[in-house]
Amino acid sequence: DIVMTQTPLSSPVTLGQPASISCRSSQSLVHSDGNTYLSWLQQRPGQPPRLLIYKISNRFSGVPDRFSGSGAGTDFTLKISRVEAEDVGVYYCMQATQSPQTFGQGTKLEIK
Amino acid sequence: EVQMVQSGGDLVQPGRSLRLSCIASGFTFSDYDVSWVRQSPEKGLEWVGFIRAKASGGATEYAASVKGRFTISRDDSKSIAYLQMNSLKIEDTAVYYCLRPLYSAGWRVPAYWGPGTLVTVSS
Repeated sequence: DIVMTQTPLSSPVTLGQPASISCRSSQSLVHSDGNTYLSWLQQRPGQPPRLLIYKISNRFSGVPDRFSGSGAGTDFTLKISRVEAEDVGVYYCMQATQSPQTFGQGTKLEIK
Repeated sequence: EVQMVQSGGDLVQPGRSLRLSCIASGFTFSDYDVSWVRQSPEKGLEWVGFIRAKASGGATEYAASVKGRFTISRDDSKSIAYLQMNSLKIEDTAVYYCLRPLYSAGWRVPAYWGPGTLVTVSS
């Protein structure tokens, strides 16, 4: 199975400041169809996960443009340009290039 | 509006069975694969399995940890997906989510998540 490793596991951020989360996979996530099935999920307290970004850098419907994704191969990054109070929660990277799809451990974003 | 409503979670003893339901609305259910993912404090998010749309063959695939014990099925006439869980173990305790992918032609982008239902396996 592909192992997804996120850093940091906790990120205290000041409101209005940027935040960045890294995700590294144990194997390349480039699929034979040319796509890289790396997604980012947000889970607010008490809620199910919510899709933010798919295929590295595509924002899902309704996701604010302060969220952006980048990367290639085995190294990926989620950036929040200016953190807002509603961004508090746990962020997960997830790969679906190879079955079984696997998830990172999660990064807890909290406000300083 | 895409909606996934879940039911069936409960407290059960080890070795017993339970069936979870996922009722979908707001889209043509038969066109989409359906996946199940579970979440526990010990293991985090863990993929359980999926069922392909009939147009894609209707195949199922399972995580090694549940293969042979869990069965995913679907009733397209009712827009319902099921997760039948047999021989439950304490380590199956988790919140179970059903999800619909973004595209009708694949399971790889987890776009729409149900609210989750809690399964507790304990004696």
